Amino acid sequence: DARVTQTPRHKVTEMGQEVTMRCQPILGHNTVFWYRQTMMQGLELLAYFRNRAPLDDSGMPKDRFSAEMPDATLATLKIQPSEPRDSAVYFCASGSLDQPQHFGDGTRLSIL
Amino acid sequence: GQNIDQPTEMTATEGAIVQINCTYQTSGFNGLFWYQQHAGEAPTFLSYNVLDGLEEKGRFSSFLSRSKGYSYLLLKELQMKDSASYLCAVRDHSTDKLIFGTGTRLQVFP
Repeated sequence: DARVTQTPRHKVTEMGQEVTMRCQPILGHNTVFWYRQTMMQGLELLAYFRNRAPLDDSGMPKDRFSAEMPDATLATLKIQPSEPRDSAVYFCASGSLDQPQHFGDGTRLSIL
Repeated sequence: GQNIDQPTEMTATEGAIVQINCTYQTSGFNGLFWYQQHAGEAPTFLSYNVLDGLEEKGRFSSFLSRSKGYSYLLLKELQMKDSASYLCAVRDHSTDKLIFGTGTRLQVFP
């Protein structure tokens, strides 16, 4: 079965460090989404791309977060500098208009 | 804007039937999705409704009424492995964005 692949699965780092999370969408899917999930807020959409173009990043703190899609097989989400409140599970999902979104296994991020 | 409501927690007994409700208010609608999420895992797609009525998939069924802004997920012949969170999500009519509810945590007891 085709899968969305995310790396790393876990990341623990100190406050102030740069964090980069990567996502390989399912081949043939033209939309890619980044979500953050916490116990308090649930699943929040941070940013999404269609055909590699960023369409909406209104859910993302712009001063420290950035999302890019350098090619069709790679999406990245960066946090610089990281803060303890960024600790969460970050999910990438891919889909298309006639396909539901499929989620990767997530990156569990802990900022100390 | 969009607002999605679903119960926070539900409990049920193995072998029983449970119905998880979801109500939504949206400025634009292009389908309603149900996802299952086990603790510590990713959400997995269960069902999709864009037209009114019932969609059946094995033990799981999902119903939609667009005029009432209402959906439910019906789980039959409950198994212990069905203990999970169930997320209702609405897709915006002009984009591919999904807006998720906070999820319903279902616990199935023997």
